[in-house]
Amino acid sequence: AQTVTQSQPEMSVQEAETVTLSCTYDTSESDYYLFWYKQPPSRQMILVIRQEAYKQQNATENRFSVNFQKAAKSFSLKISDSQLGDAAMYFCAQYTGNQFYFGTGTSLTVIP
Amino acid sequence: DTGVSQDPRHKITKRGQNVTFRCDPISEHNRLYWYRQTLGQGPEFLTYFQNEAQLEKSRLLSDRFSAERPKGSFSTLEIQRTEQGDSAMYLCASSSARNQPQHFGDGTRLSIL
Repeated sequence: AQTVTQSQPEMSVQEAETVTLSCTYDTSESDYYLFWYKQPPSRQMILVIRQEAYKQQNATENRFSVNFQKAAKSFSLKISDSQLGDAAMYFCAQYTGNQFYFGTGTSLTVIP
Repeated sequence: DTGVSQDPRHKITKRGQNVTFRCDPISEHNRLYWYRQTLGQGPEFLTYFQNEAQLEKSRLLSDRFSAERPKGSFSTLEIQRTEQGDSAMYLCASSSARNQPQHFGDGTRLSIL
């Protein structure tokens, strides 16, 4: 079975500081993809960053980067220079087969 | 690109009634997904279409739930004989290819009285 675990229900960060959100996953598949999605309050889910499992290089997207540790099945998200607009629920997701599997989310608060 | 649209945004109904939701994916996307999301949880996969074919269906999906995508464009999700536990946000997402990210709609929030 595929599982995605986010062990931090809530996190907070000072504006302009850096925060790292944790995610671990479990799969026996060799072909999969990993994503981080952001869901602001009462708004739709939007993609933050994606990582192909076959790529060793960590994905980056402006202030967002991942630390992909394939052997450890870890996929953490680092947000640099945090902004007030980064406050949201963050979901880690794994795509295997034809299904996405989501974690339970981490609620990020940005303190001005 | 107008994004994924879902209708209605909110639905309030009495227990035992049938409800139907609609999802219009991004026009060039052939893959369409339905999810259910309850408060404090991540989206839970319900079913997946590639064009008009329903290729995956969660074991969690009871026989009261049915989904269609008759012409490979919009999709409907019907829940028959609704129960209190069906109260949730129902999300639709579409993508252009297997490994491409999904684009989500705003969801339909279902409340069962």
